[in-house]
Amino acid sequence: GQSLEQPSEVTAVEGAIVQINCTYQTSGFYGLSWYQQHDGGAPTFLSYNALDGLEETGRFSSFLSRSDSYGYLLLQELQMKDSASYFCAANMDSNYQLIWGAGTKLIIKP
Amino acid sequence: DVKVTQSSRYLVKRTGEKVFLECVQDMDHENMFWYRQDPGLGLRLIYFSYDVKMKEKGDIPEGYSVSREKKERFSLILESASTSQTSMYLCASSLGGSGNSPLHFGNGTRLTVT
Repeated sequence: GQSLEQPSEVTAVEGAIVQINCTYQTSGFYGLSWYQQHDGGAPTFLSYNALDGLEETGRFSSFLSRSDSYGYLLLQELQMKDSASYFCAANMDSNYQLIWGAGTKLIIKP
Repeated sequence: DVKVTQSSRYLVKRTGEKVFLECVQDMDHENMFWYRQDPGLGLRLIYFSYDVKMKEKGDIPEGYSVSREKKERFSLILESASTSQTSMYLCASSLGGSGNSPLHFGNGTRLTVT
């Protein structure tokens, strides 16, 4: 079957760096997206990796290794407002469908 | 900013009722999607549409139907609501078909079927 695996929960301290991993098993693969969702809110797009390597957008970076079927989201200088759930999602053969991970709840402690 | 508006934030319906969830986007996006979100399961695609009057089944279409009569509006219909359909329903739209064309989500409709 097709699936994405990510940790259910990660805890970090304000000001620190945290990495959220995502491994995928899909029949085809075009790229990996990351979304953030605050409690009670809508998921919002963070990043997309189609090629191997690191993509940086401010405090957030996303990495992809196609050979390892693995990606991660890196959050630096953590702020309390980063407390949210983070989802990885993979594009497969179809351009319209994403396969989603179950989400990682990021808990930030002061 | 893209705005995706879902008509209701909370809905409570009885088993067997026909339920309509409405979604409107204001950015002329081609693609619209309906997902349901359940704890520990992530987002699961119910139906999507890449053009007016076009629809495609997602991963869990059973018990649902959709309607897209106008480009900006995508409706999800529960023909006969069941308690297993109690969930958060998220509508989304996107401009293009690739992952690099991000999904823009509405705030969701939390449906409870009793």
